[in-house]
Amino acid sequence: SQQGEEDPQALSIQEGENATMNCSYKTSINNLQWYRQNSGRGLVHLILIRSNEREKHSGRLRVTLDTSKKSSSLLITASRAADTASYFCATRIKGGSEKLVFGKGTKLTVNP
Amino acid sequence: DVKVTQSSRYLVKRTGEKVFLECVQDMDHENMFWYRQDPGLGLRLIYFSYDVKMKEKGDIPEGYSVSREKKERFSLILESASTNQTSMYLCASSRTSGRRDEQFFGPGTRLTVL
Repeated sequence: SQQGEEDPQALSIQEGENATMNCSYKTSINNLQWYRQNSGRGLVHLILIRSNEREKHSGRLRVTLDTSKKSSSLLITASRAADTASYFCATRIKGGSEKLVFGKGTKLTVNP
Repeated sequence: DVKVTQSSRYLVKRTGEKVFLECVQDMDHENMFWYRQDPGLGLRLIYFSYDVKMKEKGDIPEGYSVSREKKERFSLILESASTNQTSMYLCASSRTSGRRDEQFFGPGTRLTVL
């Protein structure tokens, strides 16, 4: 079953602009993670935010988490053509096992 | 540098064949996972293993089995391949819950069943 749902499904922006992607989930979580996937490749972990955190930064990435709304956002600032990829949120459900539940992803295109 | 490798990047098989997909990790991770990825459906968990010889069904285990005889190796088996198993298969591994909770992914195997 799909826990996380990303929004929008696709996003196209110009280099230098900011990109914002959202993720909503249904059940209580231990943490929420964002992954990136370049076309036809495996996923790469970007950032993890725990349920007791509200905001986290890593380089040009900023992640927020609102557990009352069961939602998270990923902001990529000053985007580059190399940021073109699909981005997935994944949740570790509270009381669950070691598995993560992935959303369907947002396909980001950054035009030079 | 940590690494998850998968035996093939591309594989073409015929309906009814038995198919083995191999995954090896060099990080001494306890947990290993097999996902399939299809357009519009995202990643769906097939099986995972939290220890040698231990396994647990994911969301879509039908038509698949797994084997984990050694900690570093996790195999996905399609007993009798069917065309609806044409997909991208991704293997991942992770440490049992700790500060670093992320999964590390292999490059994927694109399987086509004719």
